[in-house]
Amino acid sequence: DVKVTQSSRYLVKRTGEKVFLECVQDMDHENMFWYRQDPGLGLRLIYFSYDVKMKEKGDIPEGYSVSREKKERFSLILESASTNQTSMYLCASSFSRGVNEQFFGPGTRLTVL
Amino acid sequence: SQKIEQNSEALNIQEGKTATLTCNYTNYSPAYLQWYRQDPGRGPVFLLLIRENEKEKRKERLKVTFDTTLKQSLFHITASQPADSATYLCALSGPSGGYNKLIFGAGTRLAVHP
Repeated sequence: DVKVTQSSRYLVKRTGEKVFLECVQDMDHENMFWYRQDPGLGLRLIYFSYDVKMKEKGDIPEGYSVSREKKERFSLILESASTNQTSMYLCASSFSRGVNEQFFGPGTRLTVL
Repeated sequence: SQKIEQNSEALNIQEGKTATLTCNYTNYSPAYLQWYRQDPGRGPVFLLLIRENEKEKRKERLKVTFDTTLKQSLFHITASQPADSATYLCALSGPSGGYNKLIFGAGTRLAVHP
């Protein structure tokens, strides 16, 4: 069974802290994505990666960075968390560069106090 | 800028009826359109993909249409059941943004009542 896992379901951090969100997929997918989801705004793409050590900015990359050292793992980093980064963070993966479905993890609800 | 609109108000229907959800888009020429289902507290799950040259796609009780002239997709669930209650998201991709990069609508919540 296809699986995308995220390191935490719920996370509470303080303003200014460095935050790591981890995502692992077991499907040997080339592509991995990080989204945030806010009420009324839908899913917005933060960063994505087509291959190991490759990354591309999505629509809202400011305040975030990513790391993909291994094919199965894609990390989202908040260098200095701020309250406006309180959100649901969703990781997804897909097979290759062609058009295909994305498989999502369960999400991490991050609260920044 | 690219914009995708889904009805923000919840759709309430009676069990057994057909649910129809709408996805409209502007300032975009997608080549592909996908529909996802999302349950509370979970990640979206893929349902259907339709290409710009396909008018209609079916999968069991689900049917999707794609009208590039109207810039609209309709998503139908026939013989709806309470278990179909969820939020449904449409997502577009195309040559301008990269085929694998999806732009999502905010979703429409469907509630099917017994």
